[in-house]
Order: sequence, then C-alpha cells, then structure tokens
Amino acid sequence: DGGITQSPKYLFRKEGQNVTLSCEQNLNHDAMYWYRQDPGQGLRLIYYSQIVNDFQKGDIAEGYSVSREKKESFPLTVTSAQKNPTAFYLCASSIPLGTGVIEAFFGQGTRLTVV
Amino acid sequence: SQQGEEDPQALSIQEGENATMNCSYKTSINNLQWYRQNSGRGLVHLILIRSNEREKHSGRLRVTLDTSKKSSSLLITASRAADTASYFCATAPQETSGSRLTFGEGTQLTVNP
Repeated sequence: DGGITQSPKYLFRKEGQNVTLSCEQNLNHDAMYWYRQDPGQGLRLIYYSQIVNDFQKGDIAEGYSVSREKKESFPLTVTSAQKNPTAFYLCASSIPLGTGVIEAFFGQGTRLTVV
Repeated sequence: SQQGEEDPQALSIQEGENATMNCSYKTSINNLQWYRQNSGRGLVHLILIRSNEREKHSGRLRVTLDTSKKSSSLLITASRAADTASYFCATAPQETSGSRLTFGEGTQLTVNP
C-alpha cells in the first residue's frame, strides 16, 4: 500500500514539553509539507522540503522545527516556544504534474492537544 | 489573509440537488485545485485546472476558472449523502513556481438524505 503515514493519530502534551510528530511516505515523492489546521479553518503551511537535507519555512514556522535526513521521512517537532500548539497537523507530499504544477497527497493527520 | 477564500462557509442541500462552491484568490496563479476533506481526515485531491483553462469536468464535478475575476467555482451535480465533507480550493501562486499550495478556509457541505 503506497501512501503517507502519520503517527500517532492522537497526541497529548504537557505545557512546556517538546513533542515530535512522525510522517513517513513510500510514494517516492521529493517534496513534503507540514500544515496546521485549526477548527473550522483552512490549512496553514508550517514548513516544506523539496529535497533531502533542505527545507524552507512556511507561513507559521515559529515554534516548530523539522528535519529531512531521509527522502521518506519528514518529522515535525512542536517546541515549547509554540504558544498555542493544540491543533490538527497534516503532512503531505507532492508530485510534479508539469512546470509549476504539483498535486498533493495527504496523511490522515495527528490531533495534538496540550493538557 | 488567506490566498483563497471559499464562499459560502457552509452549505446544506438535499440529496439529488446540485452544490456550488466558490473560491476567490488574490495573486496571479499557475493553477487552482480543489480538495475534499472528510471530518477528522486528510485531504484528497479532486480536480486541477490550469490558468489557461476555463472549465474542466470530472465525473459529477465541474470546475470553472475566471482569471480576470480571480475566482473559481466547483459544481457537484446530483449530490449524494456521501458527498458530505469540507471542500477547499488551493492555489499555486506564480511567484512560488508551483512549489507550494495555499489553501482557503473551506466550504462545509452537508447533503441530507
């Protein structure tokens, strides 16, 4: 089965703790993304990576960090500097469909709750 | 503010009716896509329309794009209860060379049996 796997599905964190969300893909896609979704809202881009060992900040990168040591894996760390981390986190990868055109494939998400 | 803004925010219809959702965006785009999200799940790609296209069909879906008005619409014909989901438009701004997608806030569609 090809796809994107996010784990865990639900995650609880105490205030002040760092936590890492896992994202693995076996689609052989070069590009991967992390989005945050708050209730009733759209997706906001946190970080993205177009190739191994390289990544760029998205629109809301403060309080988050990522690494891209392997093509298949793009973990997201939510640090204690993120003041409002409770949200639904979505990982995606993409394939190019032509010049300047990509199609995104999403994992099933991780719901993070700060307790 | 979001690059894409969907309208309406919520839509409730009866099975068999058509559902129309609109998306407006601000900057020049390379292409526009529509995605669907079932509650608490990831997004699934539905259809893509390039900036040089005006209309595209896929099964019960029809997408239009008006680049002069910076707007797009998604029409779902003969809706079914299983179409109940949130629908998002996503744009690829030209200045990003298509390397990232910017999503709107979505339309929550409810199809009543």
